[in-house]
Amino acid sequence: GQSLEQPSEVTAVEGAIVQINCTYQTSGFYGLSWYQQHDGGAPTFLSYNALDGLEETGRFSSFLSRSDSYGYLLLQELQMKDSASYFCAVRAPAAGAAGNKLTFGGGTRVLVKP
Amino acid sequence: GAGVSQSPSNKVTEKGKDVELRCDPISGHTALYWYRQSLGQGLEFLIYFQGNSAPDKSGLPSDRFSAERTGGSVSTLTIQRTQQEDSAVYLCASSPPFGRANYGYTFGSGTRLTVV
Repeated sequence: GQSLEQPSEVTAVEGAIVQINCTYQTSGFYGLSWYQQHDGGAPTFLSYNALDGLEETGRFSSFLSRSDSYGYLLLQELQMKDSASYFCAVRAPAAGAAGNKLTFGGGTRVLVKP
Repeated sequence: GAGVSQSPSNKVTEKGKDVELRCDPISGHTALYWYRQSLGQGLEFLIYFQGNSAPDKSGLPSDRFSAERTGGSVSTLTIQRTQQEDSAVYLCASSPPFGRANYGYTFGSGTRLTVV
């Protein structure tokens, strides 16, 4: 089966940098994804890492180390609108079916204060 | 359509009743997923459809839950004899054909199910 661990909550001030760590145990692994979800909203795709290293997309960066079963999401220059929940998700083979599916962690609630 | 459409957006039902939740994925997306999210929790995988392949039903919590996808497009999730623990937001997502470069899922806004 799959299990993912990430901190439940992080608080930071505007302009700061936040790193959300994610460790995983998985049977089968294609890559690690990150999603953002505002209260009452749908999860939205932020990034995907299939290979080791850092992927940068604007203020957000995501890192993966496959040998350590570890990744992180880095939020820079925090803004009030970044207050949301952030989920890491492992992409792995689907059971008895072609293709793949995502297994999500419990989410990290980020609160940005003025 | 432009996005993943789910209906109804809210559903209140009495314990023991059956409910049907509908998902209309993005046109051309061959993969369709159902997830469940309880308040303040992560997303729990329910079922996955990929084209005409057999679905991955490994996440369905009991035999009261079933889903179908007709014509490779619209999907319906059915919960029979609903229980209070079924109360949650049910999210549908779709993604492009397997092997494409875009690995992101597009989620619908969900159906908030309340069993009273």
